[in-house]
Amino acid sequence: EAQVTQNPRYLITVTGKKLTVTCSQNMNHEYMSWYRQDPGLGLRQIYYSMNVEVTDKGDVPEGYKVSRKEKRNFPLILESPSPNQTSLYFCASSLTRAGDGYTFGSGTRLTVV
Amino acid sequence: GDSVTQMEGPVTLSEEAFLTINCTYTATGYPSLFWYVQYPGEGLQLLLKATKADDKGSNKGFEATYRKETTSFHLEKGSVQVSDSAVYFCALSDRGSARQLTFGSGTQLTVLP
Repeated sequence: EAQVTQNPRYLITVTGKKLTVTCSQNMNHEYMSWYRQDPGLGLRQIYYSMNVEVTDKGDVPEGYKVSRKEKRNFPLILESPSPNQTSLYFCASSLTRAGDGYTFGSGTRLTVV
Repeated sequence: GDSVTQMEGPVTLSEEAFLTINCTYTATGYPSLFWYVQYPGEGLQLLLKATKADDKGSNKGFEATYRKETTSFHLEKGSVQVSDSAVYFCALSDRGSARQLTFGSGTQLTVLP
């Protein structure tokens, strides 16, 4: 089944403890992206990647890192999480440009206390 | 910059009622337009899309027509079901940019039996 898989689905962590949210797609998509969803703010892009080793900032990149060493994987790294990063995170992928339409993962609900 | 404006929610309808969710956009280029749906506890799913003026996207009884003259992409369904209860997002992708989808704030739809 074609899908984007995120892990974990739920995570509660403490301020400052480094964490990684994994994202993997099995559709050979070139384009991958991370979004956060917050009430009243909709979906905001954190980082995106147009292909292996090609990443760029979205609208809200502060406090996050990404890497794209393989085509299928696009992990999101929070080096020192803070409470304002409590959010619902989505990974998405697209065959090429965003105009093709995204396939989204099921989401990761992160709580930083 | 690009932006998407959706009608405020929540929207509550009775089963078999007619649905319209308004969406207007501003874009510097000639965008592709999308409707995504998010069911409770799930990621976003592409519902339909249109890539040029006067195109009609349709899926699962939902329709939306790309109106360049009014910069609109309103979502309609003739007879909603309880299972249509979800959050609906209008989005655009600027064809000249590989960067991202720009989302509206989402409209919560609840359909009562």
